[in-house]
Amino acid sequence: RKEVEQDPGPFNVPEGATVAFNCTYSNSASQSFFWYRQDCRKEPKLLMSVYSSGNEDGRFTAQLNRASQYISLLIRDSKLSDSATYLCVVRGSSNTGKLIFGQGTTLQVKP
Amino acid sequence: EAGVTQFPSHSVIEKGQTVTLRCDPISGHDNLYWYRRVMGKEIKFLLHFVKESKQDESGMPNNRFLAERTGGTYSTLKVQPAELEDSGVYFCASSQRSGRSTDTQYFGPGTRLTVL
Repeated sequence: RKEVEQDPGPFNVPEGATVAFNCTYSNSASQSFFWYRQDCRKEPKLLMSVYSSGNEDGRFTAQLNRASQYISLLIRDSKLSDSATYLCVVRGSSNTGKLIFGQGTTLQVKP
Repeated sequence: EAGVTQFPSHSVIEKGQTVTLRCDPISGHDNLYWYRRVMGKEIKFLLHFVKESKQDESGMPNNRFLAERTGGTYSTLKVQPAELEDSGVYFCASSQRSGRSTDTQYFGPGTRLTVL
């Protein structure tokens, strides 16, 4: 079983749609959680950290459920520029800073 | 402020040859990480430097891979001899402080390695 699991998609949605991505992680001792965005043939870039209380950044909302070991990302009012691969990322329990990546979920927003 | 830079951007070599990848972290970042993505798989951790010391090298696949960070500035990752399965994109990342939940890792553009 992979340490971080995501539905690879692709998710094809029209502009203006709301889309949600989910992710599960296997290590209950994991400490930090993130969503990164990766454009085609580019490096991953931090989209947002994910906190237990849930957090929002503009059109993006992230949620963490530690009991279920489940992370989500909601994108409202999708834009063409949101088309990318969204990576669910977990930092392990050690202090090494090692990040564990999911395989990514591909989003294609169409006009 | 300059971001993480990596050189070369692409490298095509034959099986059995040696390749050295370079990473320059963001100035002032003590922590430097190497990751790689092989085709069809997720990005995987290789190792972590704190300044010039290897903090965690649990992800290094085998002894054909050698990473160094002399002087605690830039880092090199050497693959010798390269095998076909080493093909992929090698990312470097840096951060100011590790072990803190607020510590952000900034990624370089990656080196795309193809072993023929």
